[in-house]
Amino acid sequence: AQSVTQLDSHVSVSEGTPVLLRCNYSSSYSPSLFWYVQHPNKGLQLLLKYTSAATLVKGINGFEAEFKKSETSFHLTKPSAHMSDAAEYFCVVSDQGTYKYIFGTGTRLKVLA
Amino acid sequence: NAGVTQTPKFQVLKTGQSMTLQCAQDMNHNSMYWYRQDPGMGLRLIYYSASEGTTDKGEVPNGYNVSRLNKREFSLRLESAAPSQTSVYFCASSELSRGGSLHFGNGTRLTVT
Repeated sequence: AQSVTQLDSHVSVSEGTPVLLRCNYSSSYSPSLFWYVQHPNKGLQLLLKYTSAATLVKGINGFEAEFKKSETSFHLTKPSAHMSDAAEYFCVVSDQGTYKYIFGTGTRLKVLA
Repeated sequence: NAGVTQTPKFQVLKTGQSMTLQCAQDMNHNSMYWYRQDPGMGLRLIYYSASEGTTDKGEVPNGYNVSRLNKREFSLRLESAAPSQTSVYFCASSELSRGGSLHFGNGTRLTVT
């Protein structure tokens, strides 16, 4: 069965420093993996996705994630945090053929001035 | 381009009342989904419809029913609302068969008193 664990419920960084949001997944088949962002009182926006092509995936707003099958991880990174990055981030897994997308419990990113 | 449209945006119900949340997508997607979002729990899948004519239970289906009315529309019904169903509900659609991402509506904030 597919599942997702986001290892940190809250992360705080200073503006201009790197961001690392951690995600581990469990999947029986070849997974698709996604990161979504939700700003306060807003809907969900796709940041990036992995669907068995390149293992390093670049997304919007300078974010990227690396698929590591041996570690079952899909961590989200950004070299330099901006105040506008403050939001909640969700890691999502979907097994090929299941039609289900399973969300992690989210990581709330706080960016300090 | 409307994308995924949910109605209503807000609703207050008394315990025991019923209501239907409506969702429509204009992207010709085969798959549609209903999620609920609660603080600290991420998004949990209630029901999904992989294609027109099929529906399946997700992680938290109890207390809900769904109808895939046609390819565009997927409704969620609460027959007898309970305070535990106070949540934000999101509808989404996708083409998972092509590694597609979820496209979300703007959500419905439901309060059951």
